[in-house]
Amino acid sequence: DAMVIQNPRYQVTQFGKPVTLSCSQTLNHNVMYWYQQKSSQAPKLLFHYYDKDFNNEADTPDNFQSRRPNTSFCFLDIRSPGLGDAAMYLCATSRVPLTGGMNEQFFGPGTRLTVL
Amino acid sequence: QKEVEQDPGPLSVPEGAIVSLNCTYSNSAFQYFMWYRQYSRKGPELLMYTYSSGNKEDGRFTAQVDKSSKYISLFIRDSQPSDSATYLCAMRSSSSASKIIFGSGTRLSIRP
Repeated sequence: DAMVIQNPRYQVTQFGKPVTLSCSQTLNHNVMYWYQQKSSQAPKLLFHYYDKDFNNEADTPDNFQSRRPNTSFCFLDIRSPGLGDAAMYLCATSRVPLTGGMNEQFFGPGTRLTVL
Repeated sequence: QKEVEQDPGPLSVPEGAIVSLNCTYSNSAFQYFMWYRQYSRKGPELLMYTYSSGNKEDGRFTAQVDKSSKYISLFIRDSQPSDSATYLCAMRSSSSASKIIFGSGTRLSIRP
């Protein structure tokens, strides 16, 4: 089945220790997103890739970086995790139509990050 | 003021009840209105969407959009325990194809 896969599902890191979360997709979608979701809060868009074009949200801290080496994979790097970065990180994909219209975002199961 | 406001609940109703979930928004440019369902420890999944104003029905689910009031609703008829989840409204403008704005979600529990 076509899907969005996130690894690992649970990640524990130490304060200040770099961590990388990964996302892969078999949907061949042109857009990949990273969201941060804290308990009982809305998913917050960190950035997205439209093909190879990187789009950073204005309020995303510099501590968060991303890489998309090819269509299928996208990585979220947190350079120096703080206690406030503990959250669920969701990867999503969509196929944005050139002519407009609805584009559904398909989400992975998320990676729950704990910072000690 | 947040662009999208949603009552976080929790909302607990008996099985078979009609459930009403709502969101308000402030950006009049929003044209696509979506409802996502998120089960515990899972990613959100699209339940249904509506373009512009009006109603849309899909089985036991009905989505309504009132653009004049900037108010959207999701109704669930004959609610089932399997409907227990967090429901997130989401919306975007026609010009911003890539970016959607989510509400914070309403946690719903259906009691058997």
